Amino acid sequence: DTGVSQDPRHKITKRGQNVTFRCDPISEHNRLYWYRQTLGQGPEFLTYFQNEAQLEKSRLLSDRFSAERPKGSFSTLEIQRTEQGDSAMYLCASSLGSGEGEKLFFGSGTQLSVL
Amino acid sequence: AQSVTQLDSQVPVFEEAPVELRCNYSSSVSVYLFWYVQYPNQGLQLLLKYLSGSTLVKGINGFEAEFNKSQTSFHLRKPSVHISDTAEYFCAVTLSGAGSYQLTFGKGTKLSVIP
Repeated sequence: DTGVSQDPRHKITKRGQNVTFRCDPISEHNRLYWYRQTLGQGPEFLTYFQNEAQLEKSRLLSDRFSAERPKGSFSTLEIQRTEQGDSAMYLCASSLGSGEGEKLFFGSGTQLSVL
Repeated sequence: AQSVTQLDSQVPVFEEAPVELRCNYSSSVSVYLFWYVQYPNQGLQLLLKYLSGSTLVKGINGFEAEFNKSQTSFHLRKPSVHISDTAEYFCAVTLSGAGSYQLTFGKGTKLSVIP
């Protein structure tokens, strides 16, 4: 169990640029989640995958955001035409898929700063 | 929609003293409740969860929480804290039986243990 890994740890970009983050879940986990955390707030749900299918999306996930999980393994979160309001910590989590209320394993996050 | 309120943003406490971190939730239907902890530069980790059954739930590191449906609360307690408990604690809720896997988090409580 090597844990959930996220890359990069930090990303600084200029407004209007596109950015992509990667998440590698724990290998046997079939559920993968993306959350966003801003300063002084708790994590906010963005989206959720069961294997390669994206099953839930938050209204926070505007059309500038897209997430994929090809082949049900790693996932990418892309933000197009970044805005200063996108500055946040982007968290990835995974879980086994054993049912409701199961434990989520979180990565350390990618800190995005939009200048 | 469900929501979570963590009543204290910061809680200082002396080492070996007891602590209670307060959490209230709002939901018109049944919920599952969780406490996650975030140590500096680490991902969130599950402390404990309430799904059903006994309202007193025991978790890792000596923490426990009590589900109180009438008061819509899920307060976290530890009888004697240690320096290593210094971290940020998040209460979270999800709807039970709804087939939804998104967690709604509170804003967090920073616990500072004073030697």
